[in-house]
Amino acid sequence: DGGITQSPKYLFRKEGQNVTLSCEQNLNHDAMYWYRQDPGQGLRLIYYSQIVNDFQKGDIAEGYSVSREKKESFPLTVTSAQKNPTAFYLCASSSTGGSTDTQYFGPGTRLTVL
Amino acid sequence: GQNIDQPTEMTATEGAIVQINCTYQTSGFNGLFWYQQHAGEAPTFLSYNVLDGLEEKGRFSSFLSRSKGYSYLLLKELQMKDSASYLCAAITGGGNKLTFGTGTQLKVEL
Repeated sequence: DGGITQSPKYLFRKEGQNVTLSCEQNLNHDAMYWYRQDPGQGLRLIYYSQIVNDFQKGDIAEGYSVSREKKESFPLTVTSAQKNPTAFYLCASSSTGGSTDTQYFGPGTRLTVL
Repeated sequence: GQNIDQPTEMTATEGAIVQINCTYQTSGFNGLFWYQQHAGEAPTFLSYNVLDGLEEKGRFSSFLSRSKGYSYLLLKELQMKDSASYLCAAITGGGNKLTFGTGTQLKVEL
């Protein structure tokens, strides 16, 4: 059963703590993406990776870090430097990262920082 | 900069037809996607347009006019389960970078 998984679905952290969100895909896709969704705003791109061991900053990368050591995994770390980390985080993947590839989304992780 | 506009909310009746509009002003435009997102869930892919014209997929159709920077999603024979947010997203910057609109929350009523 192919797809994208994100865990956990809900995550609570204290202010000042780093937290890592998991994203795994078994679709054999080359490209993976992280978005953030806030109420009343569109999805905003945090980081993306088109190939293993390479990634690029999106529009709002400050306060976040990623790694891409394996094709199927693209974890996102929300650091204490991120000023407003409470949000719904969505991971996506696409076949090759080409301009017309459809991006498919995981179920999301809702992060709340207390 | 990149700008995508779509209405915030719409209401329609079960069994009717609704058209959700999206206008965009972007650089390096290379196509437009529509996604459906139910509350608290992942967006799911509905359609993709790169050339001008209408793409039909069952009850859903999507239209694109590149010269006008305009797209719409047409939903026919509305069902209660179509109540969701509909996201318009343009491929920008010449690559596979998507710029999303804020979404249109559609409410289907009896």
